[in-house]
Amino acid sequence: ETGVTQSPTHLIKTRGQQVTLRCSSQSGHNTVSWYQQALGQGPQFIFQYYREEENGRGNFPPRFSGLQFPNYSSELNVNALELDDSALYLCASSLTGELFFGEGSRLTVL
Amino acid sequence: GENVEQHPSTLSVQEGDSAVIKCTYSDSASNYFPWYKQELGKRPQLIIDIRSNVGEKKDQRIAVTLNKTAKHFSLHITETQPEDSAVYFCAALKGGLSAAGNKLTFGGGTRVLVKP
Repeated sequence: ETGVTQSPTHLIKTRGQQVTLRCSSQSGHNTVSWYQQALGQGPQFIFQYYREEENGRGNFPPRFSGLQFPNYSSELNVNALELDDSALYLCASSLTGELFFGEGSRLTVL
Repeated sequence: GENVEQHPSTLSVQEGDSAVIKCTYSDSASNYFPWYKQELGKRPQLIIDIRSNVGEKKDQRIAVTLNKTAKHFSLHITETQPEDSAVYFCAALKGGLSAAGNKLTFGGGTRVLVKP
């Protein structure tokens, strides 16, 4: 058990709506990364947070935003949802480098 | 940015045979190469990794080799078992595991089926 938990596990939204996904990092891990995994593809890096600051970002538009809290938990927010946002969203935490993934939140946009 | 290509996309092997998955990367500054196993509906799990100062690493039935000059690395699974059936992803990272803003670039995945 890696200790990284994500919620919700599954959710369905419609185009144009907004969604918030949550991640609790493994105890003591101060770095959280978010990845998007479309069906049949490898995970794509969205962004990383280190000590509450965004610390790197992939090729995702500004409607993908995030937060990290003092306890190192994190949120991923997506505004103006599009059909192509349907994917598994993975959170990964780390302290010294190795990433520990959560089980993911599967988002379906109709 | 970094680009990682992975082949084959699917691999079917008989139980007991070996499986080999190959990846190439584009950024010569990449220096950390992990492999993940993802079972259906589950999280990616690290199975083995290699750093650029090492050419080969082995852990029981799993081994990884790295050719920095050619910018490719491979996963070898020997004596395959049905429980090895899963999707395997390679990835590349530059700047080191503790580098600020580090991000893994993943390959497209290989679906491995081990037939009993």
